[in-house]
Amino acid sequence: QSAPTQPASVSGSPGQSITISCTGTISDVGGYKYVFWYQHHPGKAPKLIIYDVSDRPSGISNRFSGSKSGNTASLTISGLQAEDEADYYCGSYTNSSTVIFGERTTLTVL
Amino acid sequence: EVQLVQSGAEVKKPGESLRISCRGSGYSFSNYWISWVRQMPGKGLEWMGRIAPSDSYTNYSPSFQGHVTMSADQSISTAYLQWTSLKASDTAMYYCARLGSIGVYGMDVWGQGTTVTVSS
Repeated sequence: QSAPTQPASVSGSPGQSITISCTGTISDVGGYKYVFWYQHHPGKAPKLIIYDVSDRPSGISNRFSGSKSGNTASLTISGLQAEDEADYYCGSYTNSSTVIFGERTTLTVL
Repeated sequence: EVQLVQSGAEVKKPGESLRISCRGSGYSFSNYWISWVRQMPGKGLEWMGRIAPSDSYTNYSPSFQGHVTMSADQSISTAYLQWTSLKASDTAMYYCARLGSIGVYGMDVWGQGTTVTVSS
């Protein structure tokens, strides 16, 4: 099973909004509501920022939002801040009862 | 405080065996899956599999099935990831994470990571 596809990098200026896409298949992203997003600052543990496509865990800023259409999920970060600079991973439950992460997207805040 | 604490960094030679650990505290350890996630140097996150501490039921990613073994001892709230014969390609950071507390498959609590270096 191939990892969902994400852009290798995205960038934006402080205050702007960016969107990271995550394209999978009907066997993963497109087939289930169990799509999630993680933020990973190098040297630290990953942090869950979106689960079940669009829900935010307690304590996560509402600047982070998620959505899905067909086989593609999206993470939007609005009002970019310097601390948002990190790696981002989507992920999904799969029809093999496993979990799969997407390819890494590195966000640069200009 | 809910946390997962992993064992320390390891340096091993090819062919050696290894077991790393992940101890949970601040919650009912047996109630949630523990997942293991690999990050090879300079690469992305890879989900290796999960274990239910309550009955040690495991579910491996096909990429890792047969290469590692996950186990758990709920009496000491600890999960393990084990190799019988390490390879240089096992060099990576390994994270454990609690799965199932937020959404069905959200991993909301992570260990600090264990660095494994395999080199002759």
